[in-house]
Amino acid sequence: IMLTQSPATLSVTPGESISLSCRASQSISTNLHWYQQKPNESPRVLIKYASQSISGIPSRFSGSGSGTDFTLNINRVEPEDFSVYYCQQSNSWPLTFGSGTKLEIK
Amino acid sequence: QIQLVQSGPELKKPGESVKISCKASGYTFTDYAMHWVKQAPGKGLKWMGWINTYTGKPTYADDFKGRFVFSLEASASTANLQISNLKNEDTATYFCASPGQLGRHWFAYWGQGTLVTVSS
Repeated sequence: IMLTQSPATLSVTPGESISLSCRASQSISTNLHWYQQKPNESPRVLIKYASQSISGIPSRFSGSGSGTDFTLNINRVEPEDFSVYYCQQSNSWPLTFGSGTKLEIK
Repeated sequence: QIQLVQSGPELKKPGESVKISCKASGYTFTDYAMHWVKQAPGKGLKWMGWINTYTGKPTYADDFKGRFVFSLEASASTANLQISNLKNEDTATYFCASPGQLGRHWFAYWGQGTLVTVSS
């Protein structure tokens, strides 16, 4: 299953609210998870199963979608949010990641 | 708290082999699967496969069949990744990752990554 993330890069000003997209090549129900990766760090899970929150993750991060279209929303971007975001599907083998969206400061 | 601690960076020549370890703590090692993920310099994440820590059975993604071996030292709560006949394109950071839940295949816990550099 291929996951296509868009845009590849998003330039925003802190305080803006944004949406990142992840589209699957076939239906994956809600078996879609979102990660954040900062430079030289390991990825960190933000959202599991499309919309379920993770303990310790700020509430400004939320997810939605099912089937083939998914969205990660960040409500009022903070300076520490500028990083790369990946989606990952666990619906079928092999597990796959999207190519990532880089969130950069405008 | 659950932690995954990986071995240090490696510098190898083409054709050599490397073994990376991932030591787990904070939970019963055989309860959760261990996955491996590759990240080439400046690139995205690529799932390599996983090992069932209870049975020891490994499963490899197609691109990682042949030169890659997942193994366990269960008594030491450690998972290993061995890569043989190293090639320049194996230069990457390799992560171990665990779901931290039985039967789940998303990654709540990650090692810090091990950089393998292949250069003559």
